[in-house]
Amino acid sequence: DTGVSQNPRHKITKRGQNVTFRCDPISEHNRLYWYRQTLGQGPEFLTYFQNEAQLEKSRLLSDRFSAERPKGSFSTLEIQRTEQGDSAMYLCASSPTGRPRTGELFFGEGSRLTVL
Amino acid sequence: AQKITQTQPGMFVQEKEAVTLDCTYDTSDQSYGLFWYKQPSSGEMIFLIYQGSYDEQNATEGRYSLNFQKARKSANLVISASQLGDSAMYFCAMRRTGANNLFFGTGTRLTVIP
Repeated sequence: DTGVSQNPRHKITKRGQNVTFRCDPISEHNRLYWYRQTLGQGPEFLTYFQNEAQLEKSRLLSDRFSAERPKGSFSTLEIQRTEQGDSAMYLCASSPTGRPRTGELFFGEGSRLTVL
Repeated sequence: AQKITQTQPGMFVQEKEAVTLDCTYDTSDQSYGLFWYKQPSSGEMIFLIYQGSYDEQNATEGRYSLNFQKARKSANLVISASQLGDSAMYFCAMRRTGANNLFFGTGTRLTVIP
């Protein structure tokens, strides 16, 4: 049973460029989440998918951000016209249908973005 | 609105000793869950322990136990017999029952001293 996989692990880009991150959740998990973590802070919720449907979006997800999960398996998070304030770790998590009582999320190792 | 407060930015503990990491929370909900996650330098958030708001017993998972005091709205993590591999960031988190996301605190960096 492989864990949540995220690519790339590190991305350095210039301000104004577009970047895309990919997340492959645990195979039997139909719920997928994106979080953002800045230095010295805990993760902050960005968006949530159940299968291919994006059911919840945080106000943190500005119109420069778009997330998709076209076939209900992997997901992508795209940031357009990056700004220095977008520099952060982007964490993906998944959880199974009919979540266990605890409902814990299973996280990947994250994709670290640095915008110069 | 939910709020998680972790007042200890950093903690040190001697190897093999026990340590308590503090977490207080604020919510108007009656039904919720409290979580602790460990984040080593690799970046992955690792689930440690869960406590439901209606659970009468404090949760335990191996060397981890959660000291849940509902009236005080605190959910402190106790790590017994600390090991060098316990050095990491520790985050307290909460989720309202029926909600889809976890709300995290700012974390505590634990350093285990040999």
